[in-house]
Amino acid sequence: QSALTQPASVSGSPGQSITISCTGTSSDVGDYNYVSWYQQHPGKAPKLMIYDVTNRPSGVSNRFSGSKSGNTASLTISGLQAEDEADYHCMSYRSGSTPYVFGTGTKVNVL
Amino acid sequence: EVQLVESGGGLVQPGGSLRLSCAASGFTFSTYVMGWVRQTPGKGLEWVSRITASGDTTYYADSVKGRFTISRDNSENTLYLQMNSLRAEDTALYYCAKKAVANTKYFDCWGQGTLVTVSS
Repeated sequence: QSALTQPASVSGSPGQSITISCTGTSSDVGDYNYVSWYQQHPGKAPKLMIYDVTNRPSGVSNRFSGSKSGNTASLTISGLQAEDEADYHCMSYRSGSTPYVFGTGTKVNVL
Repeated sequence: EVQLVESGGGLVQPGGSLRLSCAASGFTFSTYVMGWVRQTPGKGLEWVSRITASGDTTYYADSVKGRFTISRDNSENTLYLQMNSLRAEDTALYYCAKKAVANTKYFDCWGQGTLVTVSS
């Protein structure tokens, strides 16, 4: 099964907004509102940031927001901060024998 | 506090076997779907397997189907992954992950991972 496509890296200056895309197909991102996003700092476990496309878990900053259009989901980080520098992974539920697929991962650099 | 602690990783030769464990605490283990996700060094995440709360239904990625077996012991709050016929491409950091409440499609808590290296 093919991974969802994410840009390898996205950069921004403190205070700016950045958006990370996650492109799938009509069998996953396009067919279900079950996209989640995970933040991962080096050497650490992934942390849930967004679930069901747009929902933020308790404790996650409202600077993080999610959206979806067609087969592409997006994570936007507004008011970029140094602590946001990390890898970000999307995940989608999908039809077929393998129920979940992850994205290729995006490294966010804070300049 | 929810905690997931993996163990059992190590160096194994191609064709060999390993059994990973994940000790859970801080929540009612027997009521949650659990899963395994792996991460190849420097690369992305790959969903591996999941098991229902009761343990009666399991699911696997095509890449491990027929070689890996997920199981759980709800009396011991422990999740397992039996890995047989290991290949070099199974080399990865293996995470144990907890699903959120029933019928959700995301993981709300992850362990720190245990490293599996398949090499001769």
